[in-house]
Amino acid sequence: EIVLTQSPGALSLSPGERATLSCRASQSVSSSYLAWYQQKAGQAPRLLIYGASSRATGIPDRFSGSGSGTDFTLTISRLEPEDFAVYYCQQYGGSPLTFGGGTKVEIK
Amino acid sequence: QVQLVESGGGVVQPGRSLRLSCAASGFTFSSYGMHWVRQAPGKGLEWVAVISYDGSNKYYADSVKGRFTISRDNSKNTLYLQMNSLRAEDTAVFYCAKAPVVYASRQLAYFDYWGQGTLVTVSS
Repeated sequence: EIVLTQSPGALSLSPGERATLSCRASQSVSSSYLAWYQQKAGQAPRLLIYGASSRATGIPDRFSGSGSGTDFTLTISRLEPEDFAVYYCQQYGGSPLTFGGGTKVEIK
Repeated sequence: QVQLVESGGGVVQPGRSLRLSCAASGFTFSSYGMHWVRQAPGKGLEWVAVISYDGSNKYYADSVKGRFTISRDNSKNTLYLQMNSLRAEDTAVFYCAKAPVVYASRQLAYFDYWGQGTLVTVSS
């Protein structure tokens, strides 16, 4: 099983600042099969990024993904008020499908 | 637009059974693999099961293997999760989620659409 470790667990930032979220895999994720989701309180997750760096339909370009192998990053270039949420990474390169533990981006 | 609406959650005693449903609309249901993902209260996401577009392939997380059964009725555009021998640790919001690729031969996938979830509480 591929274990995904997200860091930091929580991030306190102000609107307009840059957020950098990390997702590290216990083994290489084949073909960069890594996705990122945003989840707000009481809501279902929403797909942001797939294939490590491809934005999903309708996702603003302030969200970007990068990385390969075992190290992946989600960057939010300038935080908007609606971006404060929990972010999860998920790998689909190996079975079973696994998620990271999440990073909470909170307002400073 | 894609819509996934789960139902069937509720409070159930340990050892009992429950069946969840997920009604799909806004896309050709019979062309896509479908997943169940759960989230315990205040916790992260856990993949539960997947079924291929035609129902021929099914895979489960070890934590539910032998107790849960995923199925689908393409004539009714509905996904199911039969949950038997429920345990306290199965308490969670259960989401159905759609795979992104039509007629996929590979069931490992990300999820491009999610339902709003249904809460299952296992308690005596």
